Amino acid sequence: DAGVTQSPTHLIKTRGQHVTLRCSPISGHKSVSWYQQVLGQGPQFIFQYYEKEERGRGNFPDRFSARQFPNYSSELNVNALLLGDSALYLCASSLEPGELFFGEGSRLTVL
Amino acid sequence: AQRVTQPEKLLSVFKGAPVELKCNYSYSGSPELFWYVQYSRQRLQLLLRHISRESIKGFTADLNKGETSFHLKKPFAQEEDSAMYYCALKAYGGSQGNLIFGKGTKLSVKP
Repeated sequence: DAGVTQSPTHLIKTRGQHVTLRCSPISGHKSVSWYQQVLGQGPQFIFQYYEKEERGRGNFPDRFSARQFPNYSSELNVNALLLGDSALYLCASSLEPGELFFGEGSRLTVL
Repeated sequence: AQRVTQPEKLLSVFKGAPVELKCNYSYSGSPELFWYVQYSRQRLQLLLRHISRESIKGFTADLNKGETSFHLKKPFAQEEDSAMYYCALKAYGGSQGNLIFGKGTKLSVKP
């Protein structure tokens, strides 16, 4: 098993653009969580989805949205990008309840 | 407010010396606490959780409700312990997919 896979690994956008980040969980895991990690900080919770329903939402503006598909993969969407959205975006999957397994992340740079 | 504080950004010790990585939390009720570790060029992964009361790679962590602490300890540090360590707290009303992370402590073990 390849573990949690995320794409793209790196991307550069300009202010005001939109971005979609993708995550494939470990086979059998029905829960997917998204985290934002700004340089020098710990990961900050954005969303959790379980069985295609939103299970939790962190303190992020409505520009951030996510969804989970029938195969349990997930997308994180960010609209109207700001410079402050530059960060590493981590996806983690788990059995529910259970240990989080993290992907390598998608590094977003907003210019 | 729920919060995790790791007061040390960097901790440097010599091989064979004892290690204590500090973690304090703010939480109303019975917390669920975790230590996550990220070795160089690897993914963030679970090291241990307080409910398991286990020792992983020689590390232990005891929940002290009186001092609201969950310090990570190891009696004899090894060079391979060098990594970034994050203390995390399960958010109130959330699942294990919804964690509040500290800013992390970088442990450097010198030969």
